[in-house]
Amino acid sequence: EPEVTQTPSHQVTQMGQEVILRCVPISNHLYFYWYRQILGQKVEFLVSFYNNEISEKSEIFDDQFSVERPDGSNFTLKIRSTKLEDSAMYFCASRADRGQYNEQFFGPGTRLTVL
Amino acid sequence: AQSVTQLDSQVPVFEEAPVELRCNYSSSVSVYLFWYVQYPNQGLQLLLKYLSGSTLVKGINGFEAEFNKSQTSFHLRKPSVHISDTAEYFCAVSDFTNAGKSTFGDGTTLTVKP
Repeated sequence: EPEVTQTPSHQVTQMGQEVILRCVPISNHLYFYWYRQILGQKVEFLVSFYNNEISEKSEIFDDQFSVERPDGSNFTLKIRSTKLEDSAMYFCASRADRGQYNEQFFGPGTRLTVL
Repeated sequence: AQSVTQLDSQVPVFEEAPVELRCNYSSSVSVYLFWYVQYPNQGLQLLLKYLSGSTLVKGINGFEAEFNKSQTSFHLRKPSVHISDTAEYFCAVSDFTNAGKSTFGDGTTLTVKP
């Protein structure tokens, strides 16, 4: 069964450094998402991406963040100048299309620790 | 805009007892509804989903949920829980406007005691 994959599973970085979190969505999917879960809290929507552009973003997704689909398979989240409060689990998701009976499929997550 | 309210932040229950985790949602459009389970330091595992059709949906691990449109609820139930069901449970809604994002509830911690 196809699945969303994410690398790395755990990333440790120093405050102020840039990190890139990588996701490989399911191959025929068209919509891509990033979510964040701070430890002990709920899952929060960050951004959605379709047709090579952002379709929606939350207030969390400020200029510190960017997303890219650099090739036909990867979907990345870049965090510039990381802060302590960026420490969280980051989930990637993909969806076939926005029609009926389509759901998001989530990856296993990347745990980001900012020291 | 859509929102999800999980009415219980913590639910303690004894092993083999029944359990219900409550979820209410708010949305101006039709939604899909989901329950996810998250074990410590792990990702989200889909328990069950309501996309259309029968309002009673069955999922993995013996869980089921009933979609009630008039009450805008999607409560999760299991007739007999096991120690291994101890985890965090998240209710989520998703529509096919707003780029189809999911909105999650705050989560319910289910603790099954021997």
